[in-house]
Amino acid sequence: EVQLVESGGGLVKPGESLRLSCAASGFTFDSYSMNWVRQAPGKGLEWVAAISSSGSYIYYTDYMKGRFTISRDNAKNSLYLQIDSLRVEDTAVYYCARDQWISDHWGQGILVTVSS
Amino acid sequence: QSVLTQPPSASGTPGQRVTISCSGSSSNIGSNTVNWYQHLPGTAPKLLIYSNSQRPSGVPDRFSGSKSGTSASLAISGLQSEDEGDYYCAAWDDSLNGHVVFGGGTKLTVL
Repeated sequence: EVQLVESGGGLVKPGESLRLSCAASGFTFDSYSMNWVRQAPGKGLEWVAAISSSGSYIYYTDYMKGRFTISRDNAKNSLYLQIDSLRVEDTAVYYCARDQWISDHWGQGILVTVSS
Repeated sequence: QSVLTQPPSASGTPGQRVTISCSGSSSNIGSNTVNWYQHLPGTAPKLLIYSNSQRPSGVPDRFSGSKSGTSASLAISGLQSEDEGDYYCAAWDDSLNGHVVFGGGTKLTVL
């Protein structure tokens, strides 16, 4: 069974940094590209970033370039999202999803709250 | 403002058929396939339809998708109370250097 479990969220202050993790199991992790998608309170889904299976190709939503860094460790079956200089508007549930083309499996999500 | 346009709400009674539309442009729906996701309260989003009309294993055939030009639609037949939730369309956008764009979501209410 495919499982994706996010961790690393919580309450942080504006300007701080956070690293989200996504632990994958139940499939051959290094054969799949991965996505991060977020949902702000009361808003819809918003794609954040994608990374190819090897990590060689990385894509970001334009206005997230520079503050967001997606990475992966295939030896640890893990996906990461580093968020720097956090802003109040980054408050959201962050989901990891398998396969950048169709996002066929999603984690339960992890809440990041940015507030002073 | 989402790149893909969906109606904010839709509704139907049990057993009815409802459709949700998704409108885009030549750089996204017009040149790439469309996926649909179901997001029920308190759960992870779930892939309902991929490549315009394909259902992943386990998704009932009550759910169907189609695409024509720069628009797509999701149809749900035999509506059930457990179908109540949010539905999103998504597609890659060639003008955004490899970005996925989502619709704003449609809240489906089963009356």
